Amino acid sequence: QKEVEQNSGPLSVPEGAIASLNCTYSDRVSQSFFWYRQYSGKSPELIMSIYSNGDKEDGRFTAQLNKASQYVSLLIRDSQPSDSATYLCAAYQAGTALIFGKGTTLSVSS
Amino acid sequence: GAVVSQHPSWVICKSGTSVKIECRSLDFQATTMFWYRQFPKQSLMLMATSNEGSKATYEQGVEKDKFLINHASLTLSTLTVTSAHPEDSSFYICSARATGGTEAFFGQGTRLTVV
Repeated sequence: QKEVEQNSGPLSVPEGAIASLNCTYSDRVSQSFFWYRQYSGKSPELIMSIYSNGDKEDGRFTAQLNKASQYVSLLIRDSQPSDSATYLCAAYQAGTALIFGKGTTLSVSS
Repeated sequence: GAVVSQHPSWVICKSGTSVKIECRSLDFQATTMFWYRQFPKQSLMLMATSNEGSKATYEQGVEKDKFLINHASLTLSTLTVTSAHPEDSSFYICSARATGGTEAFFGQGTRLTVV
Protein backbone atom coordinates (compact mmCIF):
# COMPACT_ATOMS: atom_id res chain seq x y z
CA GLN A 1 0.00 0.00 0.00
CA LYS A 2 1.30 3.40 -0.93
CA GLU A 3 2.09 5.48 2.12
CA VAL A 4 3.50 8.85 2.99
CA GLU A 5 4.79 9.15 6.52
CA GLN A 6 5.26 12.29 8.55
CA ASN A 7 5.97 12.95 12.18
CA SER A 8 2.78 14.49 13.55
CA GLY A 9 4.65 16.80 15.88
CA PRO A 10 4.08 19.31 17.21
CA LEU A 11 7.35 20.79 16.09
CA SER A 12 8.08 23.90 18.10
CA VAL A 13 10.65 26.46 17.02
CA PRO A 14 11.35 30.03 18.14
CA GLU A 15 10.75 32.92 15.79
CA GLY A 16 13.67 33.39 13.40
CA ALA A 17 14.85 29.78 13.62
CA ILE A 18 14.91 27.18 10.86
CA ALA A 19 12.04 24.70 10.90
CA SER A 20 12.80 21.31 9.35
CA LEU A 21 9.90 19.10 8.28
CA ASN A 22 10.48 15.56 7.05
CA CYS A 23 8.56 13.05 5.03
CA THR A 24 9.18 9.54 3.69
CA TYR A 25 7.26 7.68 1.04
CA SER A 26 6.92 4.01 0.31
CA ASP A 27 6.27 3.86 -3.43
CA ARG A 28 9.42 4.20 -5.51
CA VAL A 29 7.30 4.93 -8.58
CA SER A 30 6.20 8.27 -7.15
CA GLN A 31 7.36 11.01 -9.46
CA SER A 32 6.38 14.33 -7.95
CA PHE A 33 6.21 15.64 -4.43
CA PHE A 34 4.40 18.54 -2.87
CA TRP A 35 4.22 20.44 0.36
CA TYR A 36 0.92 21.98 1.40
CA ARG A 37 0.24 24.27 4.32
CA GLN A 38 -3.08 24.01 6.13
CA TYR A 39 -4.25 26.50 8.69
CA SER A 40 -6.82 25.33 11.20
CA GLY A 41 -10.28 25.26 9.65
CA LYS A 42 -8.97 26.06 6.17
CA SER A 43 -8.20 23.97 3.12
CA PRO A 44 -4.61 23.11 2.11
CA GLU A 45 -2.55 25.60 0.15
CA LEU A 46 0.24 24.47 -2.16
CA ILE A 47 3.56 26.02 -1.16
CA MET A 48 6.22 23.90 -2.87
CA SER A 49 6.55 21.23 -5.52
CA ILE A 50 9.67 19.22 -6.33
CA TYR A 51 10.25 16.70 -9.08
CA SER A 52 13.96 15.89 -9.19
CA ASN A 53 16.67 15.05 -6.69
CA GLY A 54 18.29 17.95 -4.90
CA ASP A 55 17.13 21.22 -3.48
CA LYS A 56 14.55 23.70 -4.69
CA GLU A 57 14.36 27.10 -3.10
CA ASP A 58 11.49 29.59 -3.11
CA GLY A 59 11.86 32.53 -0.78
CA ARG A 60 12.17 31.26 2.78
CA PHE A 61 11.21 27.74 1.75
CA THR A 62 13.58 25.01 0.53
CA ALA A 63 12.33 21.60 -0.52
CA GLN A 64 14.77 18.71 -0.67
CA LEU A 65 14.24 15.41 -2.45
CA ASN A 66 16.28 12.23 -2.24
CA LYS A 67 14.66 9.53 -4.34
CA ALA A 68 17.22 6.89 -3.39
CA SER A 69 16.28 7.31 0.26
CA GLN A 70 12.61 8.01 -0.56
CA TYR A 71 12.81 11.14 1.52
CA VAL A 72 11.43 14.64 1.12
CA SER A 73 11.96 17.56 3.44
CA LEU A 74 10.90 21.17 3.77
CA LEU A 75 13.05 23.81 5.42
CA ILE A 76 11.53 27.09 6.51
CA ARG A 77 14.12 29.76 7.22
CA ASP A 78 13.50 32.73 9.50
CA SER A 79 10.33 31.11 10.84
CA GLN A 80 7.51 33.47 11.67
CA PRO A 81 4.48 32.98 13.93
CA SER A 82 2.36 33.13 10.78
CA ASP A 83 4.08 29.93 9.63
CA SER A 84 2.34 28.07 12.46
CA ALA A 85 0.15 25.53 10.67
CA THR A 86 -0.03 21.90 9.68
CA TYR A 87 2.26 20.97 6.80
CA LEU A 88 1.17 18.15 4.53
CA CYS A 89 3.56 16.18 2.37
CA ALA A 90 2.10 14.56 -0.74
CA ALA A 91 3.41 12.18 -3.39
CA TYR A 92 2.09 11.73 -6.90
CA GLN A 93 2.42 9.24 -9.69
CA ALA A 94 0.75 9.52 -13.05
CA GLY A 95 -2.91 8.67 -13.18
CA THR A 96 -3.48 8.62 -9.44
CA ALA A 97 -4.63 10.93 -6.71
CA LEU A 98 -2.11 12.56 -4.48
CA ILE A 99 -1.15 10.45 -1.48
CA PHE A 100 -1.03 12.66 1.60
CA GLY A 101 0.81 12.21 4.84
CA LYS A 102 -1.05 12.95 8.04
CA GLY A 103 0.74 16.23 8.43
CA THR A 104 3.19 17.82 10.85
CA THR A 105 1.99 20.59 13.11
CA LEU A 106 4.45 23.46 13.33
CA SER A 107 4.32 26.03 16.12
CA VAL A 108 6.50 29.12 15.89
CA SER A 109 6.73 31.09 19.11
CA SER A 110 7.42 34.80 19.21
CA GLY B 1 -1.66 29.98 -8.97
CA ALA B 2 -4.70 28.21 -10.28
CA VAL B 3 -8.01 28.99 -8.61
CA VAL B 4 -10.52 26.41 -7.47
CA SER B 5 -13.80 27.71 -6.13
CA GLN B 6 -15.96 25.60 -3.85
CA HIS B 7 -19.49 26.48 -2.86
CA PRO B 8 -21.02 26.75 -0.36
CA SER B 9 -18.32 27.39 2.23
CA TRP B 10 -20.61 26.18 4.97
CA VAL B 11 -24.03 24.62 5.20
CA ILE B 12 -26.33 23.43 7.93
CA CYS B 13 -29.00 20.93 6.98
CA LYS B 14 -31.56 18.73 8.67
CA SER B 15 -31.00 15.04 9.03
CA GLY B 16 -32.44 13.13 6.07
CA THR B 17 -32.03 15.92 3.54
CA SER B 18 -29.51 16.11 0.70
CA VAL B 19 -26.80 18.68 0.19
CA LYS B 20 -24.98 19.54 -3.02
CA ILE B 21 -21.46 20.95 -3.02
CA GLU B 22 -19.95 22.48 -6.16
CA CYS B 23 -16.30 22.61 -7.14
CA ARG B 24 -15.21 24.79 -10.04
CA SER B 25 -11.84 25.35 -11.62
CA LEU B 26 -11.94 29.02 -12.58
CA ASP B 27 -8.92 29.53 -14.79
CA PHE B 28 -8.01 26.07 -16.03
CA GLN B 29 -9.60 22.90 -17.29
CA ALA B 30 -9.57 19.98 -14.90
CA THR B 31 -10.02 16.52 -16.31
CA THR B 32 -9.69 15.13 -12.81
CA MET B 33 -11.07 16.40 -9.54
CA PHE B 34 -10.79 14.85 -6.12
CA TRP B 35 -13.11 14.91 -3.14
CA TYR B 36 -11.75 14.70 0.40
CA ARG B 37 -13.27 14.67 3.84
CA GLN B 38 -11.51 15.86 6.94
CA PHE B 39 -12.66 15.42 10.52
CA PRO B 40 -11.32 17.76 13.21
CA LYS B 41 -7.62 17.30 13.92
CA GLN B 42 -7.41 14.43 11.44
CA SER B 43 -5.77 14.07 8.07
CA LEU B 44 -7.39 14.43 4.67
CA MET B 45 -9.26 11.32 3.60
CA LEU B 46 -9.70 10.80 -0.12
CA MET B 47 -13.31 9.89 -0.86
CA ALA B 48 -13.36 9.65 -4.62
CA THR B 49 -11.70 10.63 -7.86
CA SER B 50 -13.92 12.33 -10.38
CA ASN B 51 -13.10 12.20 -14.08
CA GLU B 52 -14.90 14.37 -16.57
CA GLY B 53 -17.44 12.45 -18.56
CA SER B 54 -17.08 9.17 -16.70
CA LYS B 55 -18.08 7.56 -13.44
CA ALA B 56 -16.23 8.51 -10.31
CA THR B 57 -13.86 6.09 -8.64
CA TYR B 58 -14.66 5.69 -4.96
CA GLU B 59 -12.21 4.74 -2.25
CA GLN B 60 -12.84 1.66 -0.20
CA GLY B 61 -15.49 2.20 2.44
CA VAL B 62 -17.08 5.22 0.76
CA GLU B 63 -20.70 4.61 -0.24
CA LYS B 64 -21.19 5.69 -3.84
CA ASP B 65 -24.98 5.81 -3.45
CA LYS B 66 -24.67 8.16 -0.51
CA PHE B 67 -22.01 10.44 -1.96
CA LEU B 68 -23.06 11.13 -5.53
CA ILE B 69 -20.41 12.69 -7.73
CA ASN B 70 -21.02 14.30 -11.09
CA HIS B 71 -18.25 15.74 -13.26
CA ALA B 72 -20.21 16.95 -16.24
CA SER B 73 -17.74 19.47 -17.58
CA LEU B 74 -14.02 20.22 -17.50
CA THR B 75 -14.56 22.94 -14.92
CA LEU B 76 -17.26 21.61 -12.62
CA SER B 77 -17.66 18.66 -10.31
CA THR B 78 -20.42 18.27 -7.75
CA LEU B 79 -20.71 16.14 -4.64
CA THR B 80 -24.18 15.43 -3.30
CA VAL B 81 -24.48 14.03 0.19
CA THR B 82 -27.78 12.19 0.15
CA SER B 83 -29.93 11.50 3.20
CA ALA B 84 -27.41 13.26 5.39
CA HIS B 85 -26.97 12.21 9.00
CA PRO B 86 -25.12 13.87 11.88
CA GLU B 87 -22.14 11.55 11.37
CA ASP B 88 -21.72 13.04 7.88
CA SER B 89 -20.89 16.38 9.49
CA SER B 90 -17.37 17.15 8.35
CA PHE B 91 -15.16 19.43 6.29
CA TYR B 92 -15.43 18.46 2.62
CA ILE B 93 -12.69 19.68 0.30
CA CYS B 94 -12.31 19.34 -3.43
CA SER B 95 -9.14 19.62 -5.43
CA ALA B 96 -8.56 19.88 -9.13
CA ARG B 97 -5.68 18.94 -11.37
CA ALA B 98 -5.21 20.70 -14.68
CA THR B 99 -5.36 18.50 -17.74
CA GLY B 100 -1.82 17.20 -18.26
CA GLY B 101 -0.61 18.70 -14.99
CA THR B 102 0.67 17.19 -11.76
CA GLU B 103 -0.12 19.81 -9.15
CA ALA B 104 -3.51 19.75 -7.46
CA PHE B 105 -5.16 22.89 -6.17
CA PHE B 106 -7.74 22.93 -3.43
CA GLY B 107 -11.06 24.66 -3.09
CA GLN B 108 -11.85 26.56 0.08
CA GLY B 109 -13.70 23.63 1.59
CA THR B 110 -17.29 23.21 2.74
CA ARG B 111 -18.11 22.74 6.37
CA LEU B 112 -21.23 20.58 6.57
CA THR B 113 -23.21 20.36 9.78
CA VAL B 114 -26.15 17.97 9.89
CA VAL B 115 -28.57 18.58 12.73
